[in-house]
Amino acid sequence: EDQVTQSPEALRLQEGESSSLNCSYTVSGLRGLFWYRQDPGKGPEFLFTLYSAGEEKEKERLKATLTKKESFLHITAPKPEDSATYLCAVQGGDNTDKLIFGTGTRLQVFP
Amino acid sequence: DVKVTQSSRYLVKRTGEKVFLECVQDMDHENMFWYRQDPGLGLRLIYFSYDVKMKEKGDIPEGYSVSREKKERFSLILESASTNQTSMYLCASNPGQVTFGELFFGEGSRLTVL
Repeated sequence: EDQVTQSPEALRLQEGESSSLNCSYTVSGLRGLFWYRQDPGKGPEFLFTLYSAGEEKEKERLKATLTKKESFLHITAPKPEDSATYLCAVQGGDNTDKLIFGTGTRLQVFP
Repeated sequence: DVKVTQSSRYLVKRTGEKVFLECVQDMDHENMFWYRQDPGLGLRLIYFSYDVKMKEKGDIPEGYSVSREKKERFSLILESASTNQTSMYLCASNPGQVTFGELFFGEGSRLTVL
């Protein structure tokens, strides 16, 4: 069964303290892995798409990487405004257009 | 910027009532989706639509129906609301020319069924 697991569930960081969020997946033929940011009470906002192992994408303090079994979202020198829940989703290769979402990592960055 | 607008941010309904959740997107996107989001369960797909008058079941369609009479509008209908349908409902769209994973979401509609 296709599955996405995110860890940790919650992460508290001091401003400037770099860290990584993990997204592990099992799908039969990955067609894409997607990262979203979700602020409290709002809908998710698309961040990155990764298609193949070794691929990396960057945006400001965020960098997403992909291996054959997992993806990392690296946050360098985070600021309080980076506080949000980060969601990972995958699209498998079983001829379906459906996404499988993880339950997210809730990040809090303190000044 | 793409804008996906959900008609109601917060709703409180009683068990057995019929509930309509409306979603409108302003970027001429082909595909539209309804998800629900519950703590510990993540986002789960209820229904989606590739085109006007077309609909496809997602992973949890039971108890829901949808309507897409116009390209920009996708409605979710709860024929007889039940307490286990209390949730955050999220509408999303994408152009159809890119992967289904790059979705534009609305702000969400938080439904409470008493």
